[in-house]
Amino acid sequence: AQSVAQPEDQVNVAEGNPLTVKCTYSVSGNPYLFWYVQYPNRGLQFLLKYITGDNLVKGSYGFEAEFNKSQTSFHLKKPSALVSDSALYFCAVRAPFDRGSTLGRLYFGRGTQLTVWP
Amino acid sequence: DGGITQSPKYLFRKEGQNVTLSCEQNLNHDAMYWYRQDPGQGLRLIYYSQIVNDFQKGDIAEGYSVSREKKESFPLTVTSAQKNPTAFYLCASSKGSNGYTFGSGTRLTVV
Repeated sequence: AQSVAQPEDQVNVAEGNPLTVKCTYSVSGNPYLFWYVQYPNRGLQFLLKYITGDNLVKGSYGFEAEFNKSQTSFHLKKPSALVSDSALYFCAVRAPFDRGSTLGRLYFGRGTQLTVWP
Repeated sequence: DGGITQSPKYLFRKEGQNVTLSCEQNLNHDAMYWYRQDPGQGLRLIYYSQIVNDFQKGDIAEGYSVSREKKESFPLTVTSAQKNPTAFYLCASSKGSNGYTFGSGTRLTVV
């Protein structure tokens, strides 16, 4: 079964400092991995994805994520945090195409609330 | 611009009443999904549909119903059997190996 863990409910960081939001996953086969961001009372917005290739993936708003197969992790990072980065962040995993499976379904973590203080 | 539209943004339900949440997409996506979001619980899958006229139950389908008569539309009905319907509801769509595109959500409150 597919699953995602975000071990921290909350991450606090000062503006200008680097930030990391952690994510580990469990999936059969090679995973498709995603990060989404949610602002209050809004839908989720896509940040970045890993399907194959370079382990370091660059996404929107200066975010990047590093895929580590041996540690089954996909941590979200940003070199210099902004107050406007404060939001709820979700990691998600999707199993590769498998005829007869729940094709297309993403499994989400519980979310990590990021607060960047001035 | 292509996108996914949920309406209404806010919805109030009386006890014993059925209500329907609308979800429409013009992205030509095959699959559509409904999620429920409660504080501290992340996203929980209610129903999903991979093609027209077909849909499957997710993890928390009890008290909900859906239809998929058109590719563009995937309405969710919250029935009176759903005892705790107050939540934020999110609709999403996808195509192929891409991730989801989400709507902006409907906040349902029982009054």
